[in-house]
Amino acid sequence: AQSVTQPDIHITVSEGASLELRCNYSYGATPYLFWYVQSPGQGLQLLLKYFSGDTLVQGIKGFEAEFKRSQSSFNLRKPSVHWSDAAEYFCAGLNSGGSNYKLTFGKGTLLTVNP
Amino acid sequence: NAGVTQTPKFQVLKTGQSMTLQCAQDMNHNSMYWYRQDPGMGLRLIYYSASEGTTDKGEVPNGYNVSRLNKREFSLRLESAAPSQTSVYFCASRTRLAGENTQYFGPGTRLTVL
Repeated sequence: AQSVTQPDIHITVSEGASLELRCNYSYGATPYLFWYVQSPGQGLQLLLKYFSGDTLVQGIKGFEAEFKRSQSSFNLRKPSVHWSDAAEYFCAGLNSGGSNYKLTFGKGTLLTVNP
Repeated sequence: NAGVTQTPKFQVLKTGQSMTLQCAQDMNHNSMYWYRQDPGMGLRLIYYSASEGTTDKGEVPNGYNVSRLNKREFSLRLESAAPSQTSVYFCASRTRLAGENTQYFGPGTRLTVL
């Protein structure tokens, strides 16, 4: 079965520190992959996406993610975290060979930023 | 261009009451989706509509019905609400243009069933 796993439920970092949020996927073929961010009480905003091509993807708000086929991973990174980055982050996958385009979400990683 | 809009933003129901959650998009997207979000569970697909006139069950469809009213609107109905349906509900839409597989989300409806 297709799945997306975010191993870390909650991560705390200090403002200015670097950040890496982990995401692993299990699909028969290379899926399309997405990272969304959800601020408290808000909807989901797309940070970045990977369909094919360059495995390092740049997104909004200074985030980037690297697709690693050998590790079945799509980790999200940011070199220097700002207090406004505190939010919940969701990794999601889409079967590139499917016809119904149903996203599968990980359970999310809650990011706390300490001053 | 408002994107995906949802009404209401908040709702409190008593067990057994019914209600309809409304979703509309102004991006001329073909596909629309309803998800529920529960703590520690991520987002789970309730129903989706690949195109106008079609609807299909997702991962957790029990207790819900949907209507794709037209290309813009996709509603979710709870016929007899239960406390287990307390959740945050998100609507999303996606174009069917080749190569564009991104879903865009609405702001959500926070539903409490007492």
